[in-house]
Amino acid sequence: DARVTQTPRHKVTEMGQEVTMRCQPILGHNTVFWYRQTMMQGLELLAYFRNRAPLDDSGMPKDRFSAEMPDATLATLKIQPSEPRDSAVYFCASGQPTGRREKLFFGSGTQLSVL
Amino acid sequence: AQSVAQPEDQVNVAEGNPLTVKCTYSVSGNPYLFWYVQYPNRGLQFLLKYITGDNLVKGSYGFEAEFNKSQTSFHLKKPSALVSDSALYFCAVRGDTGRRALTFGSGTRLQVQP
Repeated sequence: DARVTQTPRHKVTEMGQEVTMRCQPILGHNTVFWYRQTMMQGLELLAYFRNRAPLDDSGMPKDRFSAEMPDATLATLKIQPSEPRDSAVYFCASGQPTGRREKLFFGSGTQLSVL
Repeated sequence: AQSVAQPEDQVNVAEGNPLTVKCTYSVSGNPYLFWYVQYPNRGLQFLLKYITGDNLVKGSYGFEAEFNKSQTSFHLKKPSALVSDSALYFCAVRGDTGRRALTFGSGTRLQVQP
């Protein structure tokens, strides 16, 4: 079965360090989303791309977060410098977002702990 | 702006009984509504969606949802709950104009007791 692959699954780091999370979307999907899940805030949209172009990153703290799609098989989310409040599960999702086949496929997430 | 409200943090139901998980929404234009389920340490999985057409939508694992435009609701239902249905359920919405990304509710934990 085709699936969205996220790496790493777990990351523990110290405050101030750079964190890079990677996502391989399902082949043929032209839209990629990054969501963050915390107990307090639930699921928050950080950024999304269509055909590798960023469409909306208004949910992302611009001073420390950046999201890119260097090619159609890779999406990255970087935090520099990381802070304890960034501790959360980060999900990548891909899909064909319009029409009858519209649905998102989520990866298993990266659980980030910033100490 | 678009938003989703799931008023119940947790729903408890006995196995074999019907279940309902509530969702109301607010969106500009026509709503596109979804239900996703999350099992522990996993990503979200698609259950069903409403775009247009019949107000009763059937989805995976015997779940269905009823769209009610006047009440701006999209409640998830199942006639007979299974213990394996215990999970976290998310309702999500987007409009047909403006931002096309889904906005998710806070989630409802469904606990089905044997």
